[in-house]
Amino acid sequence: AQTVTQSQPEMSVQEAETVTLSCTYDTSESDYYLFWYKQPPSRQMILVIRQEAYKQQNATENRFSVNFQKAAKSFSLKISDSQLGDAAMYFCAYRSGANNLFFGTGTRLTVIP
Amino acid sequence: DVKVTQSSRYLVKRTGEKVFLECVQDMDHENMFWYRQDPGLGLRLIYFSYDVKMKEKGDIPEGYSVSREKKERFSLILESASTNQTSMYLCASIPSGGGTEAFFGQGTRLTVV
Repeated sequence: AQTVTQSQPEMSVQEAETVTLSCTYDTSESDYYLFWYKQPPSRQMILVIRQEAYKQQNATENRFSVNFQKAAKSFSLKISDSQLGDAAMYFCAYRSGANNLFFGTGTRLTVIP
Repeated sequence: DVKVTQSSRYLVKRTGEKVFLECVQDMDHENMFWYRQDPGLGLRLIYFSYDVKMKEKGDIPEGYSVSREKKERFSLILESASTNQTSMYLCASIPSGGGTEAFFGQGTRLTVV
């Protein structure tokens, strides 16, 4: 069975600085998708970034980028130029070829002004 | 604009009551999910449905059942609510195939007293 591990329950970053959130996963599949979701206090889950496993190039969305290491089964999220609005829970998620969706335990990010 | 709607944002029920949580999506997605979210535990899958009348148990199905009579609606049923089922419940949907992200409802915070 697939598992997703986020080893950092809480992280903090100074405004305008860079922070990296860690995620590892376990799978025997070769074709899958990885996501980072943000959950602000409103509770609505918001997609931050997506990575296809067959792509070697790391995904980037504005200030958000990933470091995808397929062999190591690692998928970290880097947030550059952190803003107060980035404060939220961040969840790493794995979508299997069978369309199931697994989540990590989340990392609570605090942005310090 | 795609939408997943959960019937209630907040719900308070008594121990022993039968509780229905409803989720409706307007995107014609085949796959729908019910998760439970608790601090430090992330999102845990309760049940997954990949088609009308089809369901699979997730990681924590005990005490819950589901119903999917129509493609757009996925109901979570607490047969006899208990205090340990006090939690946040999130519904999500994704289309089959490809790497499309999941779309989430706004969550239902259920309190069982």
